[in-house]
Amino acid sequence: QVQLQESGPGLVKPSQTLSLTCTVSGGSISSGSYYWSWIRQPAGKGLEWIGRIYTSGSTNYNPSLKSRVTISVDTSKNQFSLKLSSVTAADTAVYYCAREVLGYCSGGSCYGPFDYWGQGTLVTVSS
Amino acid sequence: QSVLTQPPSASGTPGQRVTISCSGSSSNIGSNTVNWYQQLPGTAPKLLIYSNNQRPSGVPDRFSGSKSGTSASLAISGLQSEDEADYYCAAWDDSLNGLKVFGGGTKLTVL
Repeated sequence: QVQLQESGPGLVKPSQTLSLTCTVSGGSISSGSYYWSWIRQPAGKGLEWIGRIYTSGSTNYNPSLKSRVTISVDTSKNQFSLKLSSVTAADTAVYYCAREVLGYCSGGSCYGPFDYWGQGTLVTVSS
Repeated sequence: QSVLTQPPSASGTPGQRVTISCSGSSSNIGSNTVNWYQQLPGTAPKLLIYSNNQRPSGVPDRFSGSKSGTSASLAISGLQSEDEADYYCAAWDDSLNGLKVFGGGTKLTVL
């Protein structure tokens, strides 16, 4: 059974960088069948896709966050990570990591459903 | 403002059939498959429907999905109290080098 677990500071100061790690167990992050994504959800609001990474290191980012986001992968630790720079209160949210099963390709990109999710971790941006 | 449009709320009584709509455009639903997620209070989303109308193992056949043009729908028949949750549609969007987009979510209340 695949499991994903987010970890990282729950409190980040404004203008600083938010850093989270997702540890994958029960399966290899190096499998070529999946993308590994970050998704966030502000309290009482909907889901927002942040971006994703393939085992090769290839990334896709949400254009609205692209200038501040870096997603990386460490296959030796079976982990992938999120860095979001210059945070403000608007970045306060529950952050989820998720596995995306690749099933279809369109416009040069492949995609699929998120079949496994982490439990989520609340990150608050406050001084 | 979400790229995919869902009604903010829906409701039904036990045993009823309810549907939740999801409206998009030619760059997302119109050209790519739709997935649906169920989020129970205080928990992570769970995959409910993938590839427009496919159910993952373990999802009751009371849940069904469909897609037509640039819109999709989730139907829940035989409504049960445990179906009370938030439901989100999602799709890949081919614009701007590609991104995953979600609907704003629909809160389903079982009366």
